[in-house]
Amino acid sequence: QQQVKQSPQSLIVQKGGISIINCAYENTAFDYFPWYQQFPGKGPALLIAIRPDVSEKKEGRFTISFNKSAKQFSLHIMDSQPGDSATYFCAASMGTGGFKTIFGAGTRLFVKA
Amino acid sequence: DVKVTQSSRYLVKRTGEKVFLECVQDMDHENMFWYRQDPGLGLRLIYFSYDVKMKEKGDIPEGYSVSREKKERFSLILESASTNQTSMYLCASRSTGFDEQYFGPGTRLTVT
Repeated sequence: QQQVKQSPQSLIVQKGGISIINCAYENTAFDYFPWYQQFPGKGPALLIAIRPDVSEKKEGRFTISFNKSAKQFSLHIMDSQPGDSATYFCAASMGTGGFKTIFGAGTRLFVKA
Repeated sequence: DVKVTQSSRYLVKRTGEKVFLECVQDMDHENMFWYRQDPGLGLRLIYFSYDVKMKEKGDIPEGYSVSREKKERFSLILESASTNQTSMYLCASRSTGFDEQYFGPGTRLTVT
């Protein structure tokens, strides 16, 4: 019940295309869903996050779509750029500042120039 | 600018050695975390601390201990390193009442 399942494991997208990464969770007590971006040799950094009271959040080229009834959320990267090539982790946690954040397995994105 | 630093980027140790991984944050955050990152498994929480001298087990604490004597510093200790502890170790910190975690660059530990 604590798992967050992420797919795909890896993704290759042409420059200018749309990258889509999906995550699913089981525990309905989760109420904070962040996406972290990790470049090689760096630690993960928060990219964008959503709470379940909204179905979509957009920041620049990055959008989270959230489906509460299906217990799924996804990251869309519009107009993907080679600089977006990184590993992306979805995550879920409970309560404001909840101590336990459950991370997905990660998706390695490669954007071809 | 928020900063979390880890003492080593790469570390090679022998089986049975005692290993110390150090993490320092300069943001006055109350909460600090140690994760290990393995391919296909994502990030898994080893231990966290919500105050000086306070610690809680995460999901995979076996074989590890931690120490937090000062607010800015959180140490991960491998009492007797084993080959299955070869991994990337990530430290993070977070302010109480906020959700965003700030990660260090990681320490890649190899146990031979």
